[in-house]
This record gives sequence, C-alpha cells and structure tokens, in this order.
Amino acid sequence: SQKIEQNSEALNIQEGKTATLTCNYTNYSPAYLQWYRQDPGRGPVFLLLIRENEKEKRKERLKVTFDTTLKQSLFHITASQPADSATYLCALPYSGGYQKVTFGTGTKLQVIP
Amino acid sequence: DAGVIQSPRHEVTEMGQEVTLRCKLISGHNSLFWYRQTMMRGLELLIYFNNNVPIDDSGMPEDRFSAKMPNASFSTLKIQPSEPRDSAVYFCASSSSGGYTDTQYFGPGTRLTVL
Repeated sequence: SQKIEQNSEALNIQEGKTATLTCNYTNYSPAYLQWYRQDPGRGPVFLLLIRENEKEKRKERLKVTFDTTLKQSLFHITASQPADSATYLCALPYSGGYQKVTFGTGTKLQVIP
Repeated sequence: DAGVIQSPRHEVTEMGQEVTLRCKLISGHNSLFWYRQTMMRGLELLIYFNNNVPIDDSGMPEDRFSAKMPNASFSTLKIQPSEPRDSAVYFCASSSSGGYTDTQYFGPGTRLTVL
C-alpha cells in the first residue's frame, strides 16, 4: 500500500538559515506532490505543488524538489524566520483517484530567533 | 471570500450522544472532503463528495459515522453514538475540480472531545 514518511522529530533551526524538510514515499508513482503548512489550531494551508516532470519549483523563499527515482521530495525555506515556525505536511494523490490525496504526518519546524 | 466555514469549533459531549459537525464550502467549489486528525494517525480522509455525490467513503471508520451533502454548499458529518476514541479534530476541505491537481482549502476544524 502507499506509504508516506516525514521526519516525525521536530526540526529546530536558527533564524536566517535554510530549513530542509524531507518527504519520502513508497509503493507508487504519484503524478504530483503538494506541500501544506499547518499552524496550531488551524487547518492545513496549501503552499506549493510540483509535478512528476518537474525537478524543482520555487515560490518566494520556498523551494521544492521532486526526485521520482529516489521517491523523495525536499522542501526548503531559505532565510528562515520565526514566522515560518509551523508543521509542514506533504500530500500525494492516491493512485487511481485524482482528487483523493494522502497526507504525511508532518514535520514540525521551529525557527529560533 | 469567507473560506470554508465549520461549526461548532469545539464540541464536548458524553459517550453515547449524537454529534453533528457542519461545513459550508467555498462558493463555486464542488468537491468536499471530511478529514480526522489525531496525534497518533495524523490526517485521515474519511469521505469525499463531488457534485453532492459521495465518491469514496472507504475511510469512514464504521457505521456510527455518516455524512451528507443536502445541497451544493453544505455538508454534515454525524457520529451516533459517539465514543471516546472518536475524540479528534475534524476538518472539512473544499476544492474546485477543474483539473486533476485540485488544491484543497481547509476549514478551521472542529475539536471533538467525547468523555
């Protein structure tokens, strides 16, 4: 069955540094991958989508890579700020169901001033 | 745009009681998803609708859970009878199914506690 793995341990990083979060998946080949941000007490908010034929996608200080050979996506936040502190989830579509996605358990990022 | 609206935001009830969670979609969206989030299991899809029709309810835990979409903009998730293990945050999300990479817009969630 499809499986998504995100580092369950919190990531602590100094303000101004680049944060890198990992999303690994097994047992399928998704056509795209999404990243969401979730703040405490709130629902996830969509950040970026990258398709299987794209190696890299950028949006302001965010960069996502998608390696279909390694079955891995990396999510980078450059020049990190305390306001970037949140939980970040990756999501992949179910095989055969384009509207249905599976979410990873998320990685909590803490940016220390 | 007000975004996805959920009510109540918090619900505390006793085991055996009926619980009804409500969700209003973003205007113009035609797909509706119900999720449950816990520390142990993360974010799990319970059911989703497209154009008011339930498409996949394989995530609904058992017959105690039911979901309806009486019109294009509103949905309910009902738990009857509720049990302590149903305690979780329940989110609904909506999307516009114009393409196959639909972004989902989440509501603020309902935190359910069953005593």
